[in-house]
Amino acid sequence: DAGVIQSPRHEVTEMGQEVTLRCKPISGHNSLFWYRQTMMRGLELLIYFNNNVPIDDSGMPEDRFSAKMPNASFSTLKIQPSEPRDSAVYFCASSPPGHANEKLFFGSGTQLSVL
Amino acid sequence: GQQVMQIPQYQHVQEGEDFTTYCNSSTTLSNIQWYKQRPGGHPVFLIQLVKSGEVKKQKRLTFQFGEAKKNSSLHITATQTTDVGTYFCAVSGSARQLTFGSGTQLTVLP
Repeated sequence: DAGVIQSPRHEVTEMGQEVTLRCKPISGHNSLFWYRQTMMRGLELLIYFNNNVPIDDSGMPEDRFSAKMPNASFSTLKIQPSEPRDSAVYFCASSPPGHANEKLFFGSGTQLSVL
Repeated sequence: GQQVMQIPQYQHVQEGEDFTTYCNSSTTLSNIQWYKQRPGGHPVFLIQLVKSGEVKKQKRLTFQFGEAKKNSSLHITATQTTDVGTYFCAVSGSARQLTFGSGTQLTVLP
């Protein structure tokens, strides 16, 4: 039974480049979350989808960040242009119907380094 | 979003000693969840507490939800090296988004 799958596991890029992070939630889950984790700010919610619709994107830092969920099995988080302060671990998580904010299942994360 | 304070930030214990981490909110919570993140890993759900005064146990772990539903604790009895990691509480905000506490990083010295 596959868990939440994120790719890539590691991404090293130069400032100004576009970065795309990908996530496949657990089959049957209808809520999807993107979190960012840093030492300074901890785990921050960036955006939350329910049934492929963005419900809360108040955590998205600025216009450089965008997220999409074109279907129930795929989501992307894009940063364009990337900056060194975007360096962090980005986690995707999903949860099942009826438990939108309960028992989140996290992916292994993408370690992003922007040089 | 919903704010929750978690203490302590760090805790070093000798193997076999007990450990407790606390989460406190200024407002009444609908529920609280606990997660564990191993070094280099991702958060893993441990438990959810919903009822006032609720106490749940998982082997050596005891979770409590305060009577006023404004605080919660996680207690580990006789820590082992496998308990190493960061323990987070998480609470639901007004838009039902899940907000995580700052975490308590537990180190267990053999």
